[in-house]
Amino acid sequence: QVQLVESGGGVVQPGRSLRLSCVTSGFTFSSYAMHWVRQAPGKGLEWVAVIWFDGSNTYYADSVKGRFTIFRDNSKNTLFLQMNSLRAEDTAVYYCARAIRGWRGYIDYWGQGTLVTVSS
Amino acid sequence: DIQMTQSPSSLSASVGDRVTITCRASQDISNYLAWFQQKPGKAPKSLIYAASSLQSGVPSKFSGSGYGTDFTLTISSLQPDDFATYYCQQYYSYPLTFGGGTKVEIK
Repeated sequence: QVQLVESGGGVVQPGRSLRLSCVTSGFTFSSYAMHWVRQAPGKGLEWVAVIWFDGSNTYYADSVKGRFTIFRDNSKNTLFLQMNSLRAEDTAVYYCARAIRGWRGYIDYWGQGTLVTVSS
Repeated sequence: DIQMTQSPSSLSASVGDRVTITCRASQDISNYLAWFQQKPGKAPKSLIYAASSLQSGVPSKFSGSGYGTDFTLTISSLQPDDFATYYCQQYYSYPLTFGGGTKVEIK
């Protein structure tokens, strides 16, 4: 069965960096686009970034552009989110999600999420 | 960016009720519209894609309709397991955007 397992969350000070991982199994990882979506405490869902199946294309939300980098290792079935210059407003649960393709492709599976808290 | 507006933001309903949630896009998104269900403390679950197609394993009591800018999610007979928050999302263009959510509560 399809599984997405995030890790790497924790408490970090403003201005510092953190890298999230999403280890996948149960499907051919290299055939699917992947997203990061976040949810601040008590708030709704906010899309963060997407990467094409082969890593050839990426898009970012304006709120993270220039600070976050999405990348993947298809040999390890793993998705990453490198988060630099973290701010208090980046505090959220971060979900990885699978999409059937990068352009106009719908999300079908979600991970369980990992909590990132940015605080001094 | 495409704005997604859901209504109502919350509703109270009884077991067995038929419930309809509306989602409006700020521009034409064809049928590139998905619906998700989220329970407290849990990850979202995908329910519907392409405005009206059920994800695998989703019961047929969930249905979606619409095209262009106006969409609806209907739950035909509300059960205790259906009390949750529901989100619409457009995937017509980037940045992907979600509606603000509709919380379905027990009356």
